[in-house]
Amino acid sequence: GENVEQHPSTLSVQEGDSAVIKCTYSDSASNYFPWYKQELGKGPQLIIDIRSNVGEKKDQRIAVTLNKTAKHFSLHITETQPEDSAVYFCGTGNYQLIWGAGTKLIIKP
Amino acid sequence: DAGVTQSPTHLIKTRGQHVTLRCSPISGHKSVSWYQQVLGQGPQFIFQYYEKEERGRGNFPDRFSARQFPNYSSELNVNALLLGDSALYLCASSLLLMNTEAFFGQGTRLTVV
Repeated sequence: GENVEQHPSTLSVQEGDSAVIKCTYSDSASNYFPWYKQELGKGPQLIIDIRSNVGEKKDQRIAVTLNKTAKHFSLHITETQPEDSAVYFCGTGNYQLIWGAGTKLIIKP
Repeated sequence: DAGVTQSPTHLIKTRGQHVTLRCSPISGHKSVSWYQQVLGQGPQFIFQYYEKEERGRGNFPDRFSARQFPNYSSELNVNALLLGDSALYLCASSLLLMNTEAFFGQGTRLTVV
């Protein structure tokens, strides 16, 4: 079945620096790649998504890149702020989502 | 507008008991999915319903069942609870069946003792 690997499991960066989280997937038929942010005690919230007909998408400080040939996609957060601290999940799948294991992002002041 | 609402928010059950979790999707959303999230892991897909029909089932035992009602709300039922069923159960609704943003509720924290 579909498998998604996410790295790193924990990422600690200095406030103002950039953070990059990477995911690889196995199903070449996947066409939808969302990233979710989950804060403590809350459900996941979509922060950005990309579809397979584009290679990159940007929304202010957040960007996602997709390499369908290599079957990997990445989340880039620039100018990190304390409120970016959370667990981030990548997902893929055309119907039900298959999720990575999550990355705990820690922003050091 | 109300987001996805789940009830109850917290629940404690004893092994062997049965539990029913409820979810109300965003108005106009016809797709509801259920996920189980064990602490420290990503959500695992349990079921997807669209237009009141089951459209997907994850790798969970038959003790897990669900249904969707005419108003698109949904219930997740778990029979013969095991300690390992302790988790956060998330409901997500979406406008379409596929390739679309899923909006999550805050989840139901189930503890089995």
